[in-house]
Amino acid sequence: DQQVKQNSPSLSVQEGRISILNCDYTNSMFDYFLWYKKYPAEGPTFLISISSIKDKNEDGRFTVFLNKSAKHLSLHIVPSQPGDSAVYFCAASVDAGNNRKLIWGLGTSLAVNP
Amino acid sequence: DSGVTQTPKHLITATGQRVTLRCSPRSGDLSVYWYQQSLDQGLQFLIQYYNGEERAKGNILERFSAQQFPDLHSELNLSSLELGDSALYFCASSVGLAGGQDTQYFGPGTRLTVL
Repeated sequence: DQQVKQNSPSLSVQEGRISILNCDYTNSMFDYFLWYKKYPAEGPTFLISISSIKDKNEDGRFTVFLNKSAKHLSLHIVPSQPGDSAVYFCAASVDAGNNRKLIWGLGTSLAVNP
Repeated sequence: DSGVTQTPKHLITATGQRVTLRCSPRSGDLSVYWYQQSLDQGLQFLIQYYNGEERAKGNILERFSAQQFPDLHSELNLSSLELGDSALYFCASSVGLAGGQDTQYFGPGTRLTVL
């Protein structure tokens, strides 16, 4: 059962335009959401996060929006640059008693074309 | 450079064999996480250690085991290897226990090929 779903395996965008990556989740107990970026042959790197008490968090060209009622979050990249071409993972965090659990989506491969 | 190191970078072995993957966390990080990424798959969480103790288990097979040593480095042991175990294995570390809000820093991964 995939609790965090990234329904688009791939996305292609022109340089300078907006990239929108989507993520849906099923567990209403998730209270923290993160986006990681992964280049080939490298480990994922943290990009941006959002707490469930917020609906928007912005960091430079990257903005994450959270719609709790729809159990949906999205990552906006504006303007998109060729260096943004990577796989983007959405992850959701939940309190698991004496620890926290992080559930990962399968990723969306973004290609930004010059 | 995340500060997390993993060795070896590549490993090629045969079915039925046993291998050990090694991870050194960032300086000061007490938590270590192991993940498996198979072809066309997302990151599958395997196991987490905090300051030497196992804290969480994910989809880790019984043929796999891990430990975290007093110097906080960790090893992932994979035994009775099967073709399907071929994957990228990532180690990540974080400062504390809060694996969610606590940012995880990933190593470059070990690519395991089982022939």
